[in-house]
Order: sequence, then C-alpha cells, then structure tokens
Amino acid sequence: QVQLKESGPGLVQPSETLSLTCTVSGFSLTSYSVSWVRQPSGKGPEWMGRMWYDGDTAYNSALKSRLSISRDTSKNQVFLKMNSLQTDDTGTYYCTRGWELDYWGQGVMVTVSS
Amino acid sequence: DVVLTQTPPTLSATIGQSVSISCRSSQSLLHSNGNTYLHWLLQRPGQSPQLLIYLVSRLESGVPNRFSGSGSGTDFTLKISGVEAEDLGVYYCVQGTHAYTFGAGTKLELK
Repeated sequence: QVQLKESGPGLVQPSETLSLTCTVSGFSLTSYSVSWVRQPSGKGPEWMGRMWYDGDTAYNSALKSRLSISRDTSKNQVFLKMNSLQTDDTGTYYCTRGWELDYWGQGVMVTVSS
Repeated sequence: DVVLTQTPPTLSATIGQSVSISCRSSQSLLHSNGNTYLHWLLQRPGQSPQLLIYLVSRLESGVPNRFSGSGSGTDFTLKISGVEAEDLGVYYCVQGTHAYTFGAGTKLELK
C-alpha cells in the first residue's frame, strides 16, 4: 500500500539548516510528484514545494531562497533542505503525494530553538 | 498569490445535521487545461490531513458519500449531509491551480 514517512531531527538551532527525508513505498517517484507541506501548531498548512515525477522542482515563492528539494529514486526518497532557520519555522513537516495530495505521511515535528 | 477564504471559521453541529463550508478564491481556479484544482481535506485532532474531495466534486476512494463538493471559478462549497461523530475536525480547502495555497480552515465541533 501507499506510504510516506518523514524523518529528521526534532530540534534545530536558529540560523542552522533543516534536513528532512521522505521515504515512500507503494508507488514510484518517477510516476508521482511529492510535495512538502508544513504546519505551525494550531495553524493551517503551508505548501513549501514539490518534486515532480520528472525530477523538476517547484517552490513556494516565499521560501524559495532558503529551500532545496531533491530525490534519490533508487532509495525511494525525497529530501528537503532549508537554511537560515528561525523560530517561526517551528512546526510539523509533512510530505504528501500527487497533484491532489491524496496520501500524507505522519509528519515530523521540528522545533527551532537554542 | 491566491488567497482562499473559508467560512465559517467554526461550525457547531448536532449529529445528523447537514452543514456546508464555503471556500472563495481571490482568482479563478480554472486551469488552462480545463481542470479546476480545488480539493477538500479533513484533519482530525492529532492526525495528518486526509483527502476527501478532489477536482471540486470527485469523492476520494473510501470517503463516505455524505460528503459532496460543488462550485466553479472562485466559489466552492463542501457539504456534509448528516454529520457523524467521526467527521469532527478541521476542514481545509486547498487549490493547486496556481502553486498551492490552503484556506485557514473550518473547525467542525459538536453542539
């Protein structure tokens, strides 16, 4: 069955770089896109960017200067790197599949604090 | 950027009551390919969002048919025909025509 699972550090220092991995199963990264979405506690989700099935990427214009999304199709993994983290980057980070966001991972909580 | 305005922000309902949530877009969500990428998600407490309705009115597999979506252009509606206890949570509309943006959410609670 289709599954997505996020992994990464729970705590990041301010000004440091966040690195997250989304490991997928049950579908191919060369057939479906994968997006990263984050959600501050008690607030609505925010789309961050996506890895297209053909390897192209798209980013939220507000985050583009700090964000990079890549993948390793042999490992069924999509990666997120975001630099210059601040406290308002704290929240739960999800990866989700496809143009209709039909499957979501469980999310990983990231706290930006010294 | 496209702004999605959801109303009401909170909805109190009794079991069996029918309710509607509105989602209005700051610009048309009709894509040049003819599709309208407006979807509805439900996020239950402590859970990840789940897809209910995609492309305005298409019911995601496994979602009960008491959920329905309608609309076009800039105005969209999610209707629940007979609320059940498992429907409680926060509903989000999300558009994928112009990158992606989410509405602020509508919290459905029991009256």
